[in-house]
Amino acid sequence: SQTIHQWPATLVQPVGSPLSLECTVEGTSNPNLYWYRQAAGRGLQLLFYSVGIGQISSEVPQNLSASRPQDRQFILSSKKLLLSDSGFYLCAWTGQGGLNTIYFGEGSWLTVV
Amino acid sequence: QKEVEQNSGPLSVPEGAIASLNCTYSDRGSQSFFWYRQYSGKSPELIMSIYSNGDKEDGRFTAQLNKASQYVSLLIRDSQPSDSATYLCAARAAGGYNKLIFGAGTRLAVHP
Repeated sequence: SQTIHQWPATLVQPVGSPLSLECTVEGTSNPNLYWYRQAAGRGLQLLFYSVGIGQISSEVPQNLSASRPQDRQFILSSKKLLLSDSGFYLCAWTGQGGLNTIYFGEGSWLTVV
Repeated sequence: QKEVEQNSGPLSVPEGAIASLNCTYSDRGSQSFFWYRQYSGKSPELIMSIYSNGDKEDGRFTAQLNKASQYVSLLIRDSQPSDSATYLCAARAAGGYNKLIFGAGTRLAVHP
């Protein structure tokens, strides 16, 4: 069966510091991968999605970037964090094409101080 | 801007009652809809998906879709305290890539 892992689970970072969140999917190949963010009391906002290695699409302009160096690995990064980057970051995956369901990782809580 | 709207709640129902959660969406191109449950501090977990007009039942849950009215709902029968959570409605955006647009969620509180 397919599983998705995301880490770290929690981190507190100072303003201006870099960020790296990592996500890996097991048990499938060539998945679509997504990064969502959920601010406190808000819905999920799609940040990036990827349909293949090296293919990244950004949904909103922001202080973040994403990379997909391997088929089942998706990384969210920032060079300099802002206070507004605080939130709950969720990696998600789905199979290619069709009416596939999106499944979420455990999430990463980021607090920028 | 494609949007999914939900009443933020909280919706408070007594144990054993029916909880009714509602959602509207703006993108007429959306064809697939999902309900996720999210406990505080946790990631969302899928409850149900619905693609066709009408009702879809799964255990205590019934999803309803009306594409003409751009309306999706979730009914929870025999509500339990363990159902207390935030329920997220999502619409699959037209145009491929399985992108989901989420509502802000409705917080449900089931009291004994």
